[in-house]
Amino acid sequence: NAGVTQTPKFQVLKTGQSMTLQCAQDMNHNSMYWYRQDPGMGLRLIYYSASEGTTDKGEVPNGYNVSRLNKREFSLRLESAAPSQTSVYFCASSGLSEQYFGPGTRLTVT
Amino acid sequence: GDSVTQMEGPVTLSEEAFLTINCTYTATGYPSLFWYVQYPGEGLQLLLKATKADDKGSNKGFEATYRKETTSFHLEKGSVQVSDSAVYFCALSWGGTSYGKLTFGQGTILTVHP
Repeated sequence: NAGVTQTPKFQVLKTGQSMTLQCAQDMNHNSMYWYRQDPGMGLRLIYYSASEGTTDKGEVPNGYNVSRLNKREFSLRLESAAPSQTSVYFCASSGLSEQYFGPGTRLTVT
Repeated sequence: GDSVTQMEGPVTLSEEAFLTINCTYTATGYPSLFWYVQYPGEGLQLLLKATKADDKGSNKGFEATYRKETTSFHLEKGSVQVSDSAVYFCALSWGGTSYGKLTFGQGTILTVHP
């Protein structure tokens, strides 16, 4: 039982490049989330998926797209990376008890 | 909209000292309140929660009481250990559990020295 896994752990991109952050959970949770963590600002919700086949914008969705591929997987895509997207990205999933977080992806955009 | 405000940090304490990290929220109604902890290099873990006014959440010696009069959920521990060094986040959500979208405070870095 791995919980919530994220790949990659670290990534460096040049401005304008694209990439997809992968997230998977093995707890059979319906809901999944993507947050970004910036110094002094806590975590802010980018997108979430309340159930397979649905996605909704969170607080800071601009510059991102998501795909809920199936119940297990929820990916986050940066189509054209910008320095302002340098951050640590966390995926999370939840059932009825608590929200579980992955270990994070540290992304630097130069 | 909803917001969560935590005390300015970082906080540095000696082992066995008393800890308080302040948290206040702004919301219409009575959300569920949470404390999450993030150890170095890891994701967030739920530390404790309270789903209604006057509830007290507790775990691993930490406590927090949901005070609707002051819209606060301050985290306390009577005697901290070096292993408590981490970043602590206060958060709120709607729905009675943590399965809803979370709104976080900015986080408080705690360092405990031997």
